[in-house]
Amino acid sequence: KAGVTQTPRYLIKTRGQQVTLSCSPISGHRSVSWYQQTPGQGLQFLFEYFSETQRNKGNFPGRFSGRQFSNSRSEMNVSTLELGDSALYLCASSFTGPPYEQYFGPGTRLTVT
Amino acid sequence: QKEVEQNSGPLSVPEGAIASLNCTYSDRGSQSFFWYRQYSGKSPELIMSIYSNGDKEDGRFTAQLNKASQYVSLLIRDSQPSDSATYLCAVNDEFSAGGTSYGKLTFGQGTILTVHP
Repeated sequence: KAGVTQTPRYLIKTRGQQVTLSCSPISGHRSVSWYQQTPGQGLQFLFEYFSETQRNKGNFPGRFSGRQFSNSRSEMNVSTLELGDSALYLCASSFTGPPYEQYFGPGTRLTVT
Repeated sequence: QKEVEQNSGPLSVPEGAIASLNCTYSDRGSQSFFWYRQYSGKSPELIMSIYSNGDKEDGRFTAQLNKASQYVSLLIRDSQPSDSATYLCAVNDEFSAGGTSYGKLTFGQGTILTVHP
């Protein structure tokens, strides 16, 4: 069974630009969660989508948004990039019932200059 | 603010020894607990999940959960140099009344484990 895929794997953007990251979950998984990982803050939850609806959101500014499509693929968007947005962005997919295990994709490394 | 705390590292053990990793969590309503391994430059890889009090064994790995003490641990027996990585404790603490997960994991800061030959 194929794992979670994320594209692109690496991105370099300039402050003020916007970026869109893509995530394809494991087949059959309908929940997709997004996380930001930085050396200082560790892994932090951004938001979760299920059946094209955002069900849960972390403590991030409105510049961070996402969506989910009918095939469960998800995208996240960051507008007006800031230097502090440089991070590894990870998506994870899971079933919403037991065993609640989330499986991560390889991540997108975003560098903002 | 729900918190997950891991024992400060880094942790260094000799090859063949038992590595013990510890984690405490603040939310008594937490229902499921996970250990992830993350190699440098890679994404987290799920290695253990545990939901009930007691021990759960999988090969060289044993997870232990004590909900009364809000404590979860991971033991790695016969540690190998390939076990050298950052180990992340994660807690799933947001569920609907019907038991549906809202997909949020709260992570500890991680413990860096080094197994030296």
